[in-house]
Amino acid sequence: ETGVTQTPRHLVMGMTNKKSLKCEQHLGHNAMYWYKQSAKKPLELMFVYSLEERVENNSVPSRFSPECPNSSHLFLHLHTLQPEDSALYLCASSQQTSGRPQETQYFGPGTRLLVL
Amino acid sequence: GESVGLHLPTLSVQEGDNSIINCAYSNSASDYFIWYKQESGKGPQFIIDIRSNMDKRQGQRVTVLLNKTVKHLSLQIAATQPGDSAVYFCAENSGAGSYQLTFGKGTKLSVIP
Repeated sequence: ETGVTQTPRHLVMGMTNKKSLKCEQHLGHNAMYWYKQSAKKPLELMFVYSLEERVENNSVPSRFSPECPNSSHLFLHLHTLQPEDSALYLCASSQQTSGRPQETQYFGPGTRLLVL
Repeated sequence: GESVGLHLPTLSVQEGDNSIINCAYSNSASDYFIWYKQESGKGPQFIIDIRSNMDKRQGQRVTVLLNKTVKHLSLQIAATQPGDSAVYFCAENSGAGSYQLTFGKGTKLSVIP
């Protein structure tokens, strides 16, 4: 176990549904990330939160909405998704010190999402 | 027609042999590199890292080599075991306070018992 947990592990949703993915890290880190891993592309960074503030947003459609209520929890709210959004969504965390992020990121097991 | 998925390079190795997985990176400003292992149904797992001021780093059964001249990174696994079967990714960080890791497409390692 890496110390990063994600729920649910599997999710099937229709295009009109609203759902949320949850990530929790038990490593005492202060930066958290959402990645998308699909069959057609390498790992893609979606969002980065550092000290609970969003610091990077890589041109992600607005149907994905992240939330970071504290340094241990990260959510990804999903609404009106498309079938092409079906993928493995991975959460990661790392430790930022002295203004420079610790580059080693520790990943959770992912949520396998299927949009019908 | 359209590709249905990434065509990952595949490496098949006999159990007990050494494995070498290669990665080319593109950003000459990258100063930190990581190798991850991803088993089926799991998230990427950190294996070993190296900074650009080094050219070699060793861990338990694994060695990472960095050649900055040709922007090449390799992962060597000694005495490969069936449990090493997975997809291996290299990732680079360009430094300058960036949070972004750029991942390669990955190499699938299959260990033949």
